[in-house]
This record gives sequence, structure tokens and C-alpha cells, in this order.
Amino acid sequence: DGGITQSPKYLFRKEGQNVTLSCEQNLNHDAMYWYRQDPGQGLRLIYYSQIVNDFQKGDIAEGYSVSREKKESFPLTVTSAQKNPTAFYLCASSLPGTGGYEQFFGPGTRLTVL
Amino acid sequence: GENVEQHPSTLSVQEGDSAVIKCTYSDSASNYFPWYKQELGKRPQLIIDIRSNVGEKKDQRIAVTLNKTAKHFSLHITETQPEDSAVYFCAKGGNTPLVFGKGTRLSVIA
Repeated sequence: DGGITQSPKYLFRKEGQNVTLSCEQNLNHDAMYWYRQDPGQGLRLIYYSQIVNDFQKGDIAEGYSVSREKKESFPLTVTSAQKNPTAFYLCASSLPGTGGYEQFFGPGTRLTVL
Repeated sequence: GENVEQHPSTLSVQEGDSAVIKCTYSDSASNYFPWYKQELGKRPQLIIDIRSNVGEKKDQRIAVTLNKTAKHFSLHITETQPEDSAVYFCAKGGNTPLVFGKGTRLSVIA
């Protein structure tokens, strides 16, 4: 189903904890993205990476961090600085990182803060 | 990126009728306009896309129209079926990552 996977599917976090969401793709795509989805808010861009060892902030980067050490992997860390982290997180990938190519989405991780 | 305005936010149609969802944008750099369908609890999936050098594109019951001068594009679904019920997102892209609309929840009533 598109060759992009996310884990875990469900994640529970206590307040004050950092958690890391995994995203892996075997599509040989250069670009990878993280979105947050809240009801009625659509998809909001957190971070994106167009190439290994480089990434840029999206519209709602505060309280999140990423790394891109390998082409296949783009993990997202939700830090304790993110005040309202409960949401559905979607990872995506595409060919060259400008917006002119189809983005393939992973199945998502639903994060709940207890 | 600059926003994409999507309307309506909810849409109910009778099975067999047509559904139309519209999106507007304001920048001049965008040249790629995809539409995604997201079923409940699942990932968004591309259903159709259009580039700025084309005014209309069709794929069976689905069509997209683009008016680049007026900066709006629309999704048209004909002969709607219950399995068309989902949330639909428009998006725009070009030299920056895709920017998504807030979505339209389409309900097809049998």
C-alpha cells in the first residue's frame, strides 16, 4: 500500500514525556513530510525534508523535532514543549521535494496524551 | 504556504446525484492541484490531480476543473455512490510543499 509505513499505530504519552514516531519508506523518494491532522483542521505541515541531512520547518513546527540521517527514514519527536500533542500524525513522501508531485501517505499514528 | 480555502465543509447528496467541491487560492506560483480522499481512520489517497497547463481532467466519474486566472479549482463527482462517502481534501503545490484545504465531508445517502 504505497511502501510507506508508520509505527506505532497508537501511542499514549504522559504529560512531560518526549515520544518519537517512526516513518519509513522504500519508494526511493527524496522528500518526506510530517503532517498533523485535527478534526476540521485539514492537514497541517510540521516539518519536511527534501534531501538527506536537511529539513525545514513547516507551519506548526514548535514543540516538534525531526532528523533525516537516512533517505528511507524521517522520525518525528514530539517534545514536552508541544502543549496540545493529541492528534493524528501522518507521514508522507514524494519525488523531488517541491509541491509538484504526488505525495504518498503512511497509515498514520494516533497520539494521545494522558 | 498560503492557504487554500475549501467549500463546503460538509456535503450531503442523494445516491446518483452529482457532488461539487470548490477550492480557491491566492498565489501565482502554484502549478499542481491534487485531490485526496480520506476514508474514516485511513490514510489520504490521491484520486485525481491537474497541472496548470490543463483546464480539465476526467477519470471515469471524477473530474477536476482549473481556472488559473480566477485561482479556483473544483472536484466534480457524478453518479455518486455510497462508497464515495469520505473526506475530500484539495491541495496546491509548486515550488513549496503541498498546502491542503480543510476538507469536505461528503455523505452519499442511499
